[in-house]
Amino acid sequence: AQKITQTQPGMFVQEKEAVTLDCTYDTSDPSYGLFWYKQPSSGEMIFLIYQGSYDQQNATEGRYSLNFQKARKSANLVISASQLGDSAMYFCAMRENTGNQFYFGTGTSLTVIP
Amino acid sequence: NAGVTQTPKFQVLKTGQSMTLQCAQDMNHNSMYWYRQDPGMGLRLIYYSASEGTTDKGEVPNGYNVSRLNKREFSLRLESAAPSQTSVYFCASSEPPLSSYRTDTQYFGPGTRLTVL
Repeated sequence: AQKITQTQPGMFVQEKEAVTLDCTYDTSDPSYGLFWYKQPSSGEMIFLIYQGSYDQQNATEGRYSLNFQKARKSANLVISASQLGDSAMYFCAMRENTGNQFYFGTGTSLTVIP
Repeated sequence: NAGVTQTPKFQVLKTGQSMTLQCAQDMNHNSMYWYRQDPGMGLRLIYYSASEGTTDKGEVPNGYNVSRLNKREFSLRLESAAPSQTSVYFCASSEPPLSSYRTDTQYFGPGTRLTVL
């Protein structure tokens, strides 16, 4: 079974609007971390935001927030007030505390339209 | 701090040639990783090293070898390159969690774009 599933290959959003990128995960480990990374066309992987499985509140970092629904095993990324520079691939990832590996989804390509 | 650095940035090989991709981090991280990224497949783990002196196979280790030279450096070697190894290769290192209730956070190098003809 896939550890991380991103069902949106491509998304479009109007500049200044908010957008939600979906991510669901699969684990039986009670302790885990969830991550979002941004990969612009230049190719580097940029860490955006982290959510721990025991965190009581949803993580936020500037315009990024993580909508964490533990019972549904979802960790959606919300980008508010989209900017042209947000156009990129976005990857969701998970790390289980019992293991050493990080698991990545296949990514969502976001295009911000002026 | 330079973070995670990788050399080279680009490389073209002929089938059967060998090469080593170099990775270094200056963040004093214990764990290091090698991934490959292919279109439509996200990142796949090749090998990782949880600490200096240890290495373990990931999802796609065939055709690769690694060396954790010291805490800073983790190299990836292709002994006999094949066209199927054409990919973008990322090295990463991860920062230990601040508490036992949290996990590592992983940081990436800029990537190496490898083409095997």
